Amino acid sequence: AQKVTQAQTEISVVEKEDVTLDCVYETRDTTYYLFWYKQPPSGELVFLIRRNSFDEQNEISGRYSWNFQKSTSSFNFTITASQVVDSAVYFCALRSGSARQLTFGSGTQLTVLP
Amino acid sequence: GAGVSQTPSNKVTEKGKYVELRCDPISGHTALYWYRQSLGQGPEFLIYFQGTGAADDSGLPNDRFFAVRPEGSVSTLKIQRTERGDSAVYLCASSLTAGGAPGELFFGEGSRLTVL
Repeated sequence: AQKVTQAQTEISVVEKEDVTLDCVYETRDTTYYLFWYKQPPSGELVFLIRRNSFDEQNEISGRYSWNFQKSTSSFNFTITASQVVDSAVYFCALRSGSARQLTFGSGTQLTVLP
Repeated sequence: GAGVSQTPSNKVTEKGKYVELRCDPISGHTALYWYRQSLGQGPEFLIYFQGTGAADDSGLPNDRFFAVRPEGSVSTLKIQRTERGDSAVYLCASSLTAGGAPGELFFGEGSRLTVL
């Protein structure tokens, strides 16, 4: 069975603070892909990153960075110097083995206060 | 526009009625997915199409739910005898292909269904 857990339901920070969103996944497959999506109030999910299980290299894209650790089955997402526009719900997702669909976590509501 | 288009954006219906939700994917995308998102939850997979055929419908909750994609482009999600528990946002997504390394999924803004 595949499962994604985002234990943080809501996080509130003040602008310019750094914030890390946690994601823990479960799968028995050796080949899998991990994703992060952003869902602003408009409702449309926006793709942020994809990682495959064979690539544990961390990635940085502007203010965003991702820490993938197979040893702890985690794929955490850090926003550096947060901005009000970062306020949204963030979802971690897993595609595992031969499945073609994504399994999503329950999301983390991030609020960045001015 | 060039994105995934879903209609209607909002639908209010009465318990027991029939509902159709439409998804127009990005042109050229062969894979199309339907997800359902309840308040405060992540999207839950319903069904996915590769071309015209439903390649995986294991997420459909029961036989009141059905989806078609007759020409490999537009898809319609059909819900019969709606129940209050069907109230949710129904999301459609498309990608260039479902196989191999997964491509980016492009989501629509969803159709919010409210069953009274």
